[in-house]
Amino acid sequence: QVQLVESGGGVVQPGKSLRVSCVASGFSFRSFGMHWVRQAPGKGLEWVAVIWYDGNNKYYADSVEGRFTISRDNSKNTLYLQMDSLRAEDTAVYYCAREIIFGGGVIFFDNWGQGTLVTVSS
Amino acid sequence: IQMTQSPSSLSASVGDTVSITCRTSQNINNYLNWYQQKPEKAPQLLVYGASRLQTGVPSRFAGSGSGTDFTLTISNLQPEDFATYYCQQTHSYFTFGPGTKVDIK
Repeated sequence: QVQLVESGGGVVQPGKSLRVSCVASGFSFRSFGMHWVRQAPGKGLEWVAVIWYDGNNKYYADSVEGRFTISRDNSKNTLYLQMDSLRAEDTAVYYCAREIIFGGGVIFFDNWGQGTLVTVSS
Repeated sequence: IQMTQSPSSLSASVGDTVSITCRTSQNINNYLNWYQQKPEKAPQLLVYGASRLQTGVPSRFAGSGSGTDFTLTISNLQPEDFATYYCQQTHSYFTFGPGTKVDIK
């Protein structure tokens, strides 16, 4: 079955960097676009970034553009989110999610990881 | 694209029928999905393409709408349905609505 497992979260000081990972199994990882979505404590969901199946296209939310970098290693079935210049407002649970493109251009996220908590605090 | 959901929360009883509305600031055709999230858990897809039920989701869930106005209806509410529900547009990048919390009356 499809499984997505995030790791790498932790406590980091403002201005520092952190990389979180998402290991995929149970499907052909190289064939799917992948996303990062975050959720601040007690708040709603916020889309962060997407990377196409081949890694050739990447898009970011305005709130992280220029600070975060999404990447993937299809040989390792792993998705990454490099987070630089971290701010207190980046504190959140970070989820990876698999993208499905249905007919007519409908897109949705059909499988999510369990999330990894990133806390930005001095 | 801005998104609103109403109500932000509601209280209901087992067996009730509830409806949650999602509105977008511009026409998104049918590029609208619904997710359910329980505390400390990842979101789960319920409905995609505004009205298509994800495999394995009970038929008491139904999505409708197009353009800018969408509705998620839950009929015969069950104990496991008490959760927070989010809409998501995928017409222009990806945006989630603010969520609707459904709790027990």
